Amino acid sequence: SQKIEQNSEALNIQEGKTATLTCNYTNYSPAYLQWYRQDPGRGPVFLLLIRENEKEKRKERLKVTFDTTLKQSLFHITASQPADSATYLCALAASGYSTLTFGKGTMLLVSP
Amino acid sequence: GAVVSQHPSRVICKSGTSVKIECRSLDFQATTMFWYRQFPKQSLMLMATSNEGSKATYEQGVEKDKFLINHASLTLSTLTVTSAHPEDSSFYICSAPGLYTDTQYFGPGTRLTVL
Repeated sequence: SQKIEQNSEALNIQEGKTATLTCNYTNYSPAYLQWYRQDPGRGPVFLLLIRENEKEKRKERLKVTFDTTLKQSLFHITASQPADSATYLCALAASGYSTLTFGKGTMLLVSP
Repeated sequence: GAVVSQHPSRVICKSGTSVKIECRSLDFQATTMFWYRQFPKQSLMLMATSNEGSKATYEQGVEKDKFLINHASLTLSTLTVTSAHPEDSSFYICSAPGLYTDTQYFGPGTRLTVL
């Protein structure tokens, strides 16, 4: 069956360091992968989208990589700040008109 | 940017009553909207796809008679939880896809508590 795995344990890092979150998937051939941020009691907010033919995408302090051979995406936040503390969700879709399938998310805690 | 609102943000109701949740796209039209449910520390689970002017498409295991969806206009979709029970208590979130992108814009969510 299709599975999307994100580290269920919270990631604790110090302010200024780079946070790296992992998203692994099995039995899936996504056309693209997205990362969202979700704060407690709020809906997800879109961060980045990367397509199957792209290796890397950047946006300000964010960077996403996509390795379709390893079936893995890495999400990096450089120069992390306490305000970056949230749960980060990865989501996959089979095509541009497909519904999204979400992972459970990884909580990031950035301490001052 | 595209904004999606939900109302109410939280609702507490008695077991057996029905609750309606509204999802609106504020500055764009959405022929399709999605309804998700999220339990604590769990992923968002797609419940149904709401289609303007036609019937909703429900995911496997979601009772369409219990979760009534109406998408009467290009900016409004409603989810009615009928005869709610405590196990229906959850965080309900709607989303709408952007017109020219593959992204989805999510509402702020509705926390439903059934006593």
